[in-house]
Amino acid sequence: QITLEVSGPTLVKPTQNLTLTCTVSGVSISATAEGVGWIRQPPGKALEWLALIYWDDDKRYSPSLKSRLTISKNTSKNQVVLTMTNMDPVDTATYYCARRRGGFSVTTGWFDPWGQGTLVTVSS
Amino acid sequence: EIFLTQSPATLSVSPGERATLSCRASQSVSSHLAWYQQKSGQAPRLLIYGASTRAAGVPARFSGSGSGTEFTLTISGLQSEDFGVYYCQRYYDWPLTFGQGTRLEIK
Repeated sequence: QITLEVSGPTLVKPTQNLTLTCTVSGVSISATAEGVGWIRQPPGKALEWLALIYWDDDKRYSPSLKSRLTISKNTSKNQVVLTMTNMDPVDTATYYCARRRGGFSVTTGWFDPWGQGTLVTVSS
Repeated sequence: EIFLTQSPATLSVSPGERATLSCRASQSVSSHLAWYQQKSGQAPRLLIYGASTRAAGVPARFSGSGSGTEFTLTISGLQSEDFGVYYCQRYYDWPLTFGQGTRLEIK
């Protein structure tokens, strides 16, 4: 069974940086064709894709947030880390990580399964 | 950037009936479309990928169709556990995008 668990702060102040960790179990994130993505969801709103990292360290970012995001992985811990700089109250959302699927049939992919997500509130 | 528009925003259907949800892309995405179900307080769950392939463990009452710019998720014989919000996601190219969701409510 493959599971993903998000950990990190639930409250950050405006202008601070946010660092979230996604711990993956049941599959190695360095295995060929594997990838992990981050998606967020403001309260009551739709899903928004943020970033994705592949097994070979290829990284992709949402163009609208690219300047503020960094995605990385720690293969020894089977973890993927997302850092978002200069947090603002509009960044208040539930942040999810999810396993990228699609193998080599597509260069992008869909997500399955998803971690439970963590609500991050940006407030002073 | 390719945008996805889901309709209707809210759909009220009685248990046992059929629900038809629509997702329209602003440009062709071929068959590179997925559907997710999200229940209140839970993470999304993959239902369909490749526009019409059911994910593992997804009941046969869920079916996806379409290609290009028009896609449909059909749920036949609605059950109480099927109510929630449904999102489509395109993965034809970057950036990955989701629709704004359709809320499926009990009538």
